[in-house]
Amino acid sequence: QKEVEQNSGPLSVPEGAIASLNCTYSDRGSQSFFWYRQYSGKSPELIMFIYSNGDKEDGRFTAQLNKASQYVSLLIRDSQPSDSATYLCIIQGAQKLVFGQGTRLTINP
Amino acid sequence: DGGITQSPKYLFRKEGQNVTLSCEQNLNHDAMYWYRQDPGQGLRLIYYSQIVNDFQKGDIAEGYSVSREKKESFPLTVTSAQKNPTAFYLCASSIAGAGSYEQYFGPGTRLTVT
Repeated sequence: QKEVEQNSGPLSVPEGAIASLNCTYSDRGSQSFFWYRQYSGKSPELIMFIYSNGDKEDGRFTAQLNKASQYVSLLIRDSQPSDSATYLCIIQGAQKLVFGQGTRLTINP
Repeated sequence: DGGITQSPKYLFRKEGQNVTLSCEQNLNHDAMYWYRQDPGQGLRLIYYSQIVNDFQKGDIAEGYSVSREKKESFPLTVTSAQKNPTAFYLCASSIAGAGSYEQYFGPGTRLTVT
């Protein structure tokens, strides 16, 4: 079982809709969860981080964490073409930082 | 202007040559990291350093070397022993190495070896 799994996509969403990105992890001792956005050819930039179970909202972005089910999600409301990018899930496990391979998201005008 | 810089943005080398990638930060961060990213792949950790004069191997350290003589600087050398060095290299820093803090990434260096 991979330490972190993300659907590589591409995930295609119409403009204005909600984009839902998911990440599952295997280490129950994981403590911190980060979502980064990476445009093609650029470096990753932090979108959201979450430490506690539940939802955390920041503008159009909501991170959801469920430690019992071992998944973390990122919701993007009112999707815009500028949201088209690869989204990386990065998790601080009990021993080390682990990385998802990223989900490529395309917002269609 | 605080940030993390990498140079050069693009680098071309002949096979068999060592090459050093620069990474500098003025964020006063203790921890610094080097990652490699291949097309369509996630990030893989090469080396990391939590304090000056100390560094640890990551998951794919073979064929690479680093130094951390100053807090601000963490250069990466890609040696001729690295079998497939062509990739996008990202340097990052964080306040501390515990992982509970976000990492700030540099703009990256795209290395092509022919």
